[in-house]
Amino acid sequence: AQRVTQPEKLLSVFKGAPVELKCNYSYSGSPELFWYVQYSRQRLQLLLRHISRESIKGFTADLNKGETSFHLKKPFAQEEDSAMYYCALLNAGGTSYGKLTFGQGTILTVHP
Amino acid sequence: DAGVTQSPTHLIKTRGQHVTLRCSPISGHKSVSWYQQVLGQGPQFIFQYYEKEERGRGNFPDRFSARQFPNYSSELNVNALLLGDSALYLCASRVRYGTDTQYFGPGTRLTVL
Repeated sequence: AQRVTQPEKLLSVFKGAPVELKCNYSYSGSPELFWYVQYSRQRLQLLLRHISRESIKGFTADLNKGETSFHLKKPFAQEEDSAMYYCALLNAGGTSYGKLTFGQGTILTVHP
Repeated sequence: DAGVTQSPTHLIKTRGQHVTLRCSPISGHKSVSWYQQVLGQGPQFIFQYYEKEERGRGNFPDRFSARQFPNYSSELNVNALLLGDSALYLCASRVRYGTDTQYFGPGTRLTVL
């Protein structure tokens, strides 16, 4: 069964510091991974998708198949990055094709 | 474009009642998925619909059902409500069934007393 683990429920950093949100996955096929973000009182929105290899709002994430990880990184955190971040894995086959499996989320707080 | 819309925003029901939640996808999107998000947890997949047909179901009891209409909007129905059904119910739409990016609505907050 596929699984996504975000080991940190809470993460606090100071403005300008580097930030890394961890995500590990378990999946038997070729994984497709996403990071979604939810700012206060806003809907869940896509931050980035690994196949597009884009950098959004300064965030990047690299898929490491050997370590089954997809950590989200930003070299210099900003206060406006404070939000809930979810890592998600797409089921690309079988009866649940197209289903997203989410981790439990990490609340990032960036202090001034 | 208003994005995915859901109604109602909030709902309070008592145990044993039934509830219907509604979702309108982004224009041009033909696939809708439903997720349940219990407080403190990530969203959990309930259903996926494409072209009015069910294309996947999560590990939820038969009390949960859904359908998709010709205009691609969708309803989620939950019968015989339990306290544990209290959650934020999210609808997501995408252009096609499968691997397209999903865009989420604001959710319906259901409280079961």
